Amino acid sequence: SQTIHQWPATLVQPVGSPLSLECTVEGTSNPNLYWYRQAAGRGLQLLFYSVGIGQISSEVPQNLSASRPQDRQFILSSKKLLLSDSGFYLCAWSDYSTEAFFGQGTRLTVV
Amino acid sequence: ILNVEQSPQSLHVQEGDSTNFTCSFPSSNFYALHWYRWETAKSPEALFVMTLNGDEKKKGRISATLNTKEGYSYLYIKGSQPEDSATYLCAFTHADGLTFGKGTHLIIQP
Repeated sequence: SQTIHQWPATLVQPVGSPLSLECTVEGTSNPNLYWYRQAAGRGLQLLFYSVGIGQISSEVPQNLSASRPQDRQFILSSKKLLLSDSGFYLCAWSDYSTEAFFGQGTRLTVV
Repeated sequence: ILNVEQSPQSLHVQEGDSTNFTCSFPSSNFYALHWYRWETAKSPEALFVMTLNGDEKKKGRISATLNTKEGYSYLYIKGSQPEDSATYLCAFTHADGLTFGKGTHLIIQP
């Protein structure tokens, strides 16, 4: 069965520090992978999605970047965090016609 | 950017009453329509995935319908219970990914 791992679960980082959140998927190949963010009081905002190795699409210009170095690995990064980057980050994978599977989420607090 | 619109944004319902809310999505380039139940800072829980026009799905007291030609889906909750309180997310799968609406925040009042 398909599983998705996301870590860390919580993170407190100072402004200006780098960020790396990692997501890996098991039990499927060539998944569509997504990074979402929930900022305080808002819904799920699509940040990045990837349909294959090295293929990244960005929905919203921001201080973040994503990479997909391997088929089942999706990484969210930042070189310098801003206060506005605080939020709850979710990694997900989905086929075109199946439900999306989500990681456990990462609560990021930038201080 | 493809938009998924959900209405209302929030809803207060008396325990025992039935309710429904709406999801609107672009009718072109459609693959699937999803409904999720979501509690903040947790992973969304999948309720339904529908792909065909006219699809109707049911899970207990919750059901959903899909109209792909006009681009809308309804979620129905019959006999609301306090444990139904959550945010209900609609998501639309298209050729360029999976886009979520902002959700309908449902509060069941005892």
